[in-house]
Amino acid sequence: QQQVKQSPQSLIVQKGGISIINCAYENTAFDYFPWYQQFPGKGPALLIAIRPDVSEKKEGRFTISFNKSAKQFSLHIMDSQPGDSATYFCAASSSGNTGKLIFGQGTTLQVKP
Amino acid sequence: DSGVTQTPKHLITATGQRVTLRCSPRSGDLSVYWYQQSLDQGLQFLIQYYNGEERAKGNILERFSAQQFPDLHSELNLSSLELGDSALYFCASSLYPDTQYFGPGTRLTVL
Repeated sequence: QQQVKQSPQSLIVQKGGISIINCAYENTAFDYFPWYQQFPGKGPALLIAIRPDVSEKKEGRFTISFNKSAKQFSLHIMDSQPGDSATYFCAASSSGNTGKLIFGQGTTLQVKP
Repeated sequence: DSGVTQTPKHLITATGQRVTLRCSPRSGDLSVYWYQQSLDQGLQFLIQYYNGEERAKGNILERFSAQQFPDLHSELNLSSLELGDSALYFCASSLYPDTQYFGPGTRLTVL
């Protein structure tokens, strides 16, 4: 029940295209859903996050879509750029549970020029 | 730069040995989290400290221990090391429970 399942494992997108990464969770106590971006040799960096009281959050080219009833959320990267090539992790946590993050397995995104 | 510092950046040691990883949180952050990243297990939560006290435990082996000092820096101690302990170890810090900022990590190689 603690798992967060992420797909796809890898993704190749052309420059200017839309990258979509999906995550699903089981634990209904989760109430915070961040996305992290990780470049090789670096630590994960917080990209964008959402709470279940909204269905969508947009920050620049990055959008999270959240479907509470389906227990799914996704990251959309619009106008994908080669500099977006990285590994993306979805995560979930419960505010009543110290905030420890449960991570998905990660998606390696390659944006081709 | 997240403001979280970790030392050392790389650590190479032998099986059976003991190592200590160090983390300094962002200024003002009271919580420190430790995560292990390996190819097969992904990013796994190990343990959390809040203002010097253990707050939560995850998939942390009994051979591993941690502590947070009065100046809020934290150390993760790994003992009786095995080949399978080779991984990236990340520290994250936060002021509030959800927004965690990760350090650059320590790459541990056990030979």
